[in-house]
Amino acid sequence: GAVVSQHPSWVICKSGTSVKIECRSLDFQATTMFWYRQFPKQSLMLMATSNEGSKATYEQGVEKDKFLINHASLTLSTLTVTSAHPEDSSFYICSATKTGQETQYFGPGTRLLVL
Amino acid sequence: DAKTTQPPSMDCAEGRAANLPCNHSTISGNEYVYWYRQIHSQGPQYIIHGLKNNETNEMASLIITEDRKSSTLILPHATLRDTAVYYCIEGGNKLVFGAGTILRVKS
Repeated sequence: GAVVSQHPSWVICKSGTSVKIECRSLDFQATTMFWYRQFPKQSLMLMATSNEGSKATYEQGVEKDKFLINHASLTLSTLTVTSAHPEDSSFYICSATKTGQETQYFGPGTRLLVL
Repeated sequence: DAKTTQPPSMDCAEGRAANLPCNHSTISGNEYVYWYRQIHSQGPQYIIHGLKNNETNEMASLIITEDRKSSTLILPHATLRDTAVYYCIEGGNKLVFGAGTILRVKS
């Protein structure tokens, strides 16, 4: 199997606060994890790629100081949205690849609403 | 920008085969073709991938043309639960999602 979980599945927070989203590979070790964002009626956009034990690589236009990514173990990556604003409200989805493979397996997503 | 081209939408009768086309004329020789689908409000689900040979698994079949410039995903007996957005993506270290094809399976 290749099961990826995310927690929480949805979160509502006040503007200016920080929110942490967890991504876990449940039945495999994931050297690489990816974070995507999806706005309503749009497709997924890659935000960053994270390798275990290394700093994440961010896509152009994604602020690394705002979206903090930590990938401290082979089964867990976290995304922290710092000082959240209403425009950060979105569907955040992670994916993970098995060591040595390319196929990405996606989590169920986390819906963030910033008031 | 996505490097593949897919029709924006397709309809399919329940129980019939759904054939979803994709053009990927710029695909590199060592890049796989990946297919994912996304059911409303869920994360994408991996379906199948291939390099140049046709592939089949429990979910679908993938037919890749000899020149590798296009492929077709076949769901042999579509059900209502197959209604989703289907994405065809040139593989690599990064996946670039386009708009995909909205497949509507109707009873």
